[in-house]
Formats: sequence, C-alpha cells, structure tokens
Amino acid sequence: NAGVTQTPKFRVLKTGQSMTLLCAQDMNHEYMYWYRQDPGMGLRLIHYSVGEGTTAKGEVPDGYNVSRLKKQNFLLGLESAAPSQTSVYFCASDWTSGRGSSYEQYFGPGTRLTVT
Amino acid sequence: QQQVKQSPQSLIVQKGGISIINCAYENTAFDYFPWYQQFPGKGPALLIAIRPDVSEKKEGRFTISFNKSAKQFSLHIMDSQPGDSATYFCAATITSGTYKYIFGTGTRLKVLA
Repeated sequence: NAGVTQTPKFRVLKTGQSMTLLCAQDMNHEYMYWYRQDPGMGLRLIHYSVGEGTTAKGEVPDGYNVSRLKKQNFLLGLESAAPSQTSVYFCASDWTSGRGSSYEQYFGPGTRLTVT
Repeated sequence: QQQVKQSPQSLIVQKGGISIINCAYENTAFDYFPWYQQFPGKGPALLIAIRPDVSEKKEGRFTISFNKSAKQFSLHIMDSQPGDSATYFCAATITSGTYKYIFGTGTRLKVLA
C-alpha cells in the first residue's frame, strides 16, 4: 500500500495564479482532510470530507476550494494564490466505517508551496 | 474552547534524559488524545494515544500521562535518543462526531548526543 500520496511535492506560484493539489489514498478511508502547517501555528484544518461527493469547511477555509469526486481522491484548489498561502500542505485520511477503536489519521508527505 | 495549548515550543535534552511535553484543553467533550511525531520533510505519524478513562499509557520509552480533572495531558520520553529529535504535536478529538482533530502548536525536540 502506498498509503496517502500528494502531488506535487514542491511548487512556486506567482500571486494571482491558480493551482490544484492532489491527494490520493489507497486505504479505502471515508474521511479525508487538508491541513496547512505554518511555523509556530501547528496544523490547521482547511477543509475536510466525510465521504465521496461531500465537503465541509475547517478552521481556515478562505481562499481554498476542495472536491471529492472519487472516494480515494481529495483535491485542494487555490483560485488566486496570495503570499499568505505560502505554507506546507498536508493531506490526511482516516477510516470510519466500523472503525472500532482506531482513530488514527494517516498523513501524506506534504506539499511545500511558495507564493511570490 | 476548541483550543489545545502545547508547551514548550522547543526543548533541548541530553541523550539519556527525560523529555516532557505538556498540553491542556478546555472542551470536556474531547475523548481521544493522540500524540503525533513529525520528522523534517515528512508528514506527522501517530506515536501514541490515550482515552480519558485511563490515567497513563506506556509504549516502550513513550508514556502519556492524563489528568482529567486538570484537563491536561503530557508526553514523557524516557532515555531520550538523538533519533527522537523531531517535532511533536498533541491533539484532541471527539470520536462520536466528525473526527476533526484539534492540534497543538507543536514542540521541536532536539536530543543532544
């Protein structure tokens, strides 16, 4: 199993450009999440999805959109990038159906985005 | 009320020493408290977790101490090793809800050889 994968690993954008980050998981997880990680601020939830075709806002959703057209994929879009969106982005997933006592979130390796 | 406060922000420990990281929460509905370990350039990975019905959980050199009345929990790393040098995040969630984690701000641990 590859677990949670993210593409791309690195990206540099100019202010105003758009891009899409792709997250894929092969663990048949129901829930998927997008976080951003900034120094001294921990991991902050951007958007999440509780199933195929559903999305919801997290703590810091402004400037981002998401889509979950397939259960295994969760896309994060930046419509008009701003320098404040310079960050490391992590995707995570976890298993909920009959999950028993496991509440572990599995994280991808991250995407480092710089907006100039 | 949704915050999880973590301290210290950074920690330097000698090899063989004990590393202690503390977290505090307000929301008494939280019922699952994991600790995640993150190495540079990698995503966080679950290290150890605890439910509030126990006061301590130990896995090898890593121990979570949980104080429900004080709404605090801490990670203890015994016999700290240079390979433990990483960033540690505490978190909390409500397992009957949407499973969203609330993360602490992280502690950067450096263990000197």
